[in-house]
Amino acid sequence: DAGITQSPRHKVTETGTPVTLRCHQTENHRYMYWYRQDPGHGLRLIHYSYGVKDTDKGEVSDGYSVSRSKTEDFLLTLESATSSQTSVYFCAISGANTGELFFGEGSRLTVL
Amino acid sequence: DQQVKQNSPSLSVQEGRISILNCDYTNSMFDYFLWYKKYPAEGPTFLISISSIKDKNEDGRFTVFLNKSAKHLSLHIVPSQPGDSAVYFCAASVGGGGSNYKLTFGKGTLLTVNP
Repeated sequence: DAGITQSPRHKVTETGTPVTLRCHQTENHRYMYWYRQDPGHGLRLIHYSYGVKDTDKGEVSDGYSVSRSKTEDFLLTLESATSSQTSVYFCAISGANTGELFFGEGSRLTVL
Repeated sequence: DQQVKQNSPSLSVQEGRISILNCDYTNSMFDYFLWYKKYPAEGPTFLISISSIKDKNEDGRFTVFLNKSAKHLSLHIVPSQPGDSAVYFCAASVGGGGSNYKLTFGKGTLLTVNP
């Protein structure tokens, strides 16, 4: 199994509060991704990173920011959480030249 | 605009029979296709993939077929087992540079294999 750890695994917060989700990898892969999974929408890309301090937006990036100060860590921040951001968030890394992504176990976020 | 479509939200089959999951795509630039399986409360796991230069790829009980002219791919599971019960996601990417595989996913199909 790819070494990907997400934290926290579960979080309940209130509208308007900031939230940070952390993804930690031990594989030293260059590319890291944040997806969200919602019923009826499948998995949608929020942001991705192609190296330390190098990030780019995905298809649903509004309301989210990311940072990558070290190869192994990719942080997803909701500056002011809204109920529409209630979701399960998955971090992923690219398998080196295999064309596939390896996913973490997910972080379930509930915004009340 | 959904670029990867899985039009069947669910599929139910009997153990031992064939499961066929379908996927359509609209972006002709996609050149790499994957299937992922997801159990509840777990992350998606890679199942099988196919490059656009091929029309078939087989791995044990799993076979993926690609019809580029129809922009259609399918996943065949033979024989189906109860442990195959999961949500299956179809995904596609445009030839990523290096190892950047920014995948676009379908909405998923829930497969239930009945004993």
